[in-house]
Amino acid sequence: GQQLNQSPQSMFIQEGEDVSMNCTSSSIFNTWLWYKQEPGEGPVLLIALYKAGELTSNGRLTAQFGITRKDSFLNISASIPSDVGIYFCAGQTGTASKLTFGTGTRLQVTL
Amino acid sequence: DTGVSQDPRHKITKRGQNVTFRCDPISEHNRLYWYRQTLGQGPEFLTYFQNEAQLEKSRLLSDRFSAERPKGSFSTLEIQRTEQGDSAMYLCASRDQLRTYFGPGTRLLVL
Repeated sequence: GQQLNQSPQSMFIQEGEDVSMNCTSSSIFNTWLWYKQEPGEGPVLLIALYKAGELTSNGRLTAQFGITRKDSFLNISASIPSDVGIYFCAGQTGTASKLTFGTGTRLQVTL
Repeated sequence: DTGVSQDPRHKITKRGQNVTFRCDPISEHNRLYWYRQTLGQGPEFLTYFQNEAQLEKSRLLSDRFSAERPKGSFSTLEIQRTEQGDSAMYLCASRDQLRTYFGPGTRLLVL
């Protein structure tokens, strides 16, 4: 099935650093979402974006819905050890509101 | 806990056996989804219910897979004659007007 292009694939950063990841698609989506998944668990919703150009924050997380509606980015500021996990973007479209996920960005935070 | 719940969390079975998974969505959500996630990939859409009606099925859902939501509340996903390629995490999700929430998943290993 289709997966969105997400980069980078993995990141190793030091505690306190800022992180940026992005997601691109060949298709237009009317909603972009960012999820975090930890080992053995389901994805947990972090941020939802509903309008092209929208910039939304949730604590240390900031995400933007690209103007072309084909991309989105997520920034994490001042990373902490509990930020470790896999971050997935997801585009939503259609009456079913089904999600098409990215390939994931694995984040490791070292002390 | 009022989130999406799934049972069992883990299942090991032998090739050729049938397995059934259960999902209990968030109570007021009338939309329910099943996704499958293989190692190193993002979740992929399998099927979607609005109340008790199954409205969309992915091509990933072969004839050996069947999903039901008989009373518009909980849902079951059955896999008949399991194959090793069915080994994956099976995620259930439910949706309110704006957002999709995932359960913890059932991890299936077919030996």
